[in-house]
Amino acid sequence: RKEVEQDPGPFNVPEGATVAFNCTYSNSASQSFFWYRQDCRKEPKLLMSVYSSGNEDGRFTAQLNRASQYISLLIRDSKLSDSATYLCVVNIGQAGTALIFGKGTTLSVSS
Amino acid sequence: ETGVTQSPTHLIKTRGQQVTLRCSSQSGHNTVSWYQQALGQGPQFIFQYYREEENGRGNFPPRFSGLQFPNYSSELNVNALELDDSALYLCASSLDGPYTGELFFGEGSRLTVL
Repeated sequence: RKEVEQDPGPFNVPEGATVAFNCTYSNSASQSFFWYRQDCRKEPKLLMSVYSSGNEDGRFTAQLNRASQYISLLIRDSKLSDSATYLCVVNIGQAGTALIFGKGTTLSVSS
Repeated sequence: ETGVTQSPTHLIKTRGQQVTLRCSSQSGHNTVSWYQQALGQGPQFIFQYYREEENGRGNFPPRFSGLQFPNYSSELNVNALELDDSALYLCASSLDGPYTGELFFGEGSRLTVL
């Protein structure tokens, strides 16, 4: 089993749609969790951290379920500019030495 | 702009050759992580350096090695190149490890092995 697994893509949605991405992780000792965004042929950038209580940043909501080892990202009112690959990221290893990335899910928002 | 710079941006090598990729960290960052990203895949963790010492390593063979210098810049060396080494190599800097989750990535070095 891979350390971080994500929904296969791509997701093709119209502007204004709500879309949800799911992610599971295998290491129960994982301490922290994140979503990164990667635009085509660009470097990944931090989108948001994911907290046990859930957190929201504008149109983006992240949820964590430690018992199920499951992370989600919800995007409401999708914009054309949301088109990108979304990477689920987990901090594992001794003293949190590594961020492990999922394969990514590609979102394409069309007008 | 993240302030992380990598060189070269593109390079082509042949099987069996050796390559050195360089990374200049964001000012004030003492941790550098290297990732390999193959086409259509997420970044794969190679290793991390903290204050000039290797501080974690992913599932990569010993022919992948690195260095971090006193100014916290870094090198990734790959010996005996194989075709499967063709990928985008990303360097990311952070302060005191990746605990906050925010890695600042450079734009990468795209390696093609023929």
